Amino acid sequence: EAQVTQNPRYLITVTGKKLTVTCSQNMNHEYMSWYRQDPGLGLRQIYYSMNVEVTDKGDVPEGYKVSRKEKRNFPLILESPSPNQTSLYFCASAPGTANYGYTFGSGTRLTVV
Amino acid sequence: TQLLEQSPQFLSIQEGENLTVYCNSSSVFSSLQWYRQEPGEGPVLLVTVVTGGEVKKLKRLTFQFGDARKDSSLHITAAQPGDTGLYLCAGGSGAGSYQLTFGKGTKLSVIP
Repeated sequence: EAQVTQNPRYLITVTGKKLTVTCSQNMNHEYMSWYRQDPGLGLRQIYYSMNVEVTDKGDVPEGYKVSRKEKRNFPLILESPSPNQTSLYFCASAPGTANYGYTFGSGTRLTVV
Repeated sequence: TQLLEQSPQFLSIQEGENLTVYCNSSSVFSSLQWYRQEPGEGPVLLVTVVTGGEVKKLKRLTFQFGDARKDSSLHITAAQPGDTGLYLCAGGSGAGSYQLTFGKGTKLSVIP
């Protein structure tokens, strides 16, 4: 089944404790992206990658890191999480161009206390 | 910066009613997509429209792309409780572009 897999689905952590949210896609898509979704603010892009070793900042990159060492994986790293990073996070992937539409993962609900 | 405004933000209707939600912008988009998101899940692509004036139907859902490719609408006929969810529109900015601009969504509740 073609899908984007995120792990974990739920995570509660403490301020300052480094964490990684994994994202993997099995569709050989070139493009991958991370979003956060907050009430009233909609989906906001954190980082994106157009191919292996090519990444760029989205609208809200502060406090996040990404890497794209393999085509299928695009982990999101929070080096020192803070409470304002409590949110619902989504990974997405797309072939060729965005006109084909994004496939989203099921989301990771992160709470930083 | 391209923006997509969706209206209404919230919509609560009775089962069997018809409804239309709108997605508007001052910018031209190369494509317009609609997604549905259920609580706690990721958005799922419903349709992509790429030609100005294009109309696509998906069972009881009708999607239209404006002639000038700046706006779109989603019409649902005889809404059912299973239609409940957040409807997001998203615009593609150009051929070969990977980026999408998302609207903030319309939250639809269909009451049995």
